[in-house]
Amino acid sequence: QSVLTQPPSVSGTPGQRVTISCSGSSSNIRSNTVNWYQQLPGAAPKPLIYMTNQRPSRVPDRFSGSKSGTSASLAIGGLQSEDQADYYCATWDGSLNGWVFGGGTKLTVL
Amino acid sequence: QVQLQESGPGLVKPSETLSLTCTVSGGSISNYYWSWIRQPPGKGLEWIGYIYSNYRGITNYNPSLKSRVIISVDTSRNQFSLKLNSVAAADTAVYYCAKMDPSSGPDSWGQGTLVTVSS
Repeated sequence: QSVLTQPPSVSGTPGQRVTISCSGSSSNIRSNTVNWYQQLPGAAPKPLIYMTNQRPSRVPDRFSGSKSGTSASLAIGGLQSEDQADYYCATWDGSLNGWVFGGGTKLTVL
Repeated sequence: QVQLQESGPGLVKPSETLSLTCTVSGGSISNYYWSWIRQPPGKGLEWIGYIYSNYRGITNYNPSLKSRVIISVDTSRNQFSLKLNSVAAADTAVYYCAKMDPSSGPDSWGQGTLVTVSS
């Protein structure tokens, strides 16, 4: 059981906007920034969003992150077939004194 | 941007010690945070621990693995290592090494290496 809770799967059609939620607690998401990682099949995770809403330069602005209270969200606009992947949220947990990940969400582009 | 490459045995017997090395290229290993993360087949990511590669070599481990894990660094070889002892089938996973920013977490990852625990 992961410390951070994500929906196992989400889906959308090309061009659509989808969001992926990440639910935590006061010791992790409320108190710290959140990262999001994209993992394509058979590949290592790649940073997608860091410090809750910052994008590495190579990541298109279709991807955005936000946080409210003990929950965070990743939004993907203008969905494309290459966005089909697993997505993970992560943050520091002050009670556990370590990094924690969500269980991952599989995005299917229909 | 640094590049990371994991290496080590792909098969370890139950109760033995899993040993992996991560070689860092394209930059110095000194004065940065370095981490190990694993992913069991078909499952999610689990942080194992990190080391800060200064003269103190400060470490921090996942509480659930702390009693079995040692992470160390060899600055002369630009490498850091993972040792996980008393392994069981549940330790079968792809093991990733990563560079960590203390504020924003893992920001550069190796390609990962599959370690299977089996007799």
